[in-house]
Amino acid sequence: GAVVSQHPSWVICKSGTSVKIECRSLDFQATTMFWYRQFPKQSLMLMATSNEGSKATYEQGVEKDKFLINHASLTLSTLTVTSAHPEDSSFYICSARDPGTEASWGYTFGSGTRLTVV
Amino acid sequence: AQSVTQPDIHITVSEGASLELRCNYSYGATPYLFWYVQSPGQGLQLLLKYFSGDTLVQGIKGFEAEFKRSQSSFNLRKPSVHWSDAAEYFCAVGAGNTDKLIFGTGTRLQVFP
Repeated sequence: GAVVSQHPSWVICKSGTSVKIECRSLDFQATTMFWYRQFPKQSLMLMATSNEGSKATYEQGVEKDKFLINHASLTLSTLTVTSAHPEDSSFYICSARDPGTEASWGYTFGSGTRLTVV
Repeated sequence: AQSVTQPDIHITVSEGASLELRCNYSYGATPYLFWYVQSPGQGLQLLLKYFSGDTLVQGIKGFEAEFKRSQSSFNLRKPSVHWSDAAEYFCAVGAGNTDKLIFGTGTRLQVFP
């Protein structure tokens, strides 16, 4: 089945530095990927929709200059948290849509990245 | 706007007991409905989904869910819970005119031996 690999699984960085998270579709091409943020014991909040070859679409309230998304190929999307601060600490999850599945609603999720900013 | 409500934040059951997790949605048209399970520190795994047709949907790990349009519900059930089912469960609705999934707040399932 469809597999989405997310890397790294956890990262600790110093305040003010930038962190890049990768999301790869391993056995399918994903024209659309999604980035979510999950606070402890809370639901997933959609941050942005990443479209291959074009600019990402950000949800209301998400700072596009802080959370840079690049979808340069059909199998890779990256999320860069720029000038990270402790309040950016969270669990970030990506998902990719496998167009080969029924009704094009085949979403596969990565295993998530735990970001801790100290 | 689409929304999903999971009324139960935390549920505790004994191993072997039956389980029902509630999910109510708000959407004007026929929704695409999903149930996902998340183990601690992990991503989400799809349990089952409903697009159309038979309103009783079978999923993996012995789970099933029933779509009830009149009640705007999509409750998840399992006849006999195993200790390994302890996890966080999310109901989600997909809007037909976008690619977005809207998630409920989740229900944490705890299983006692």
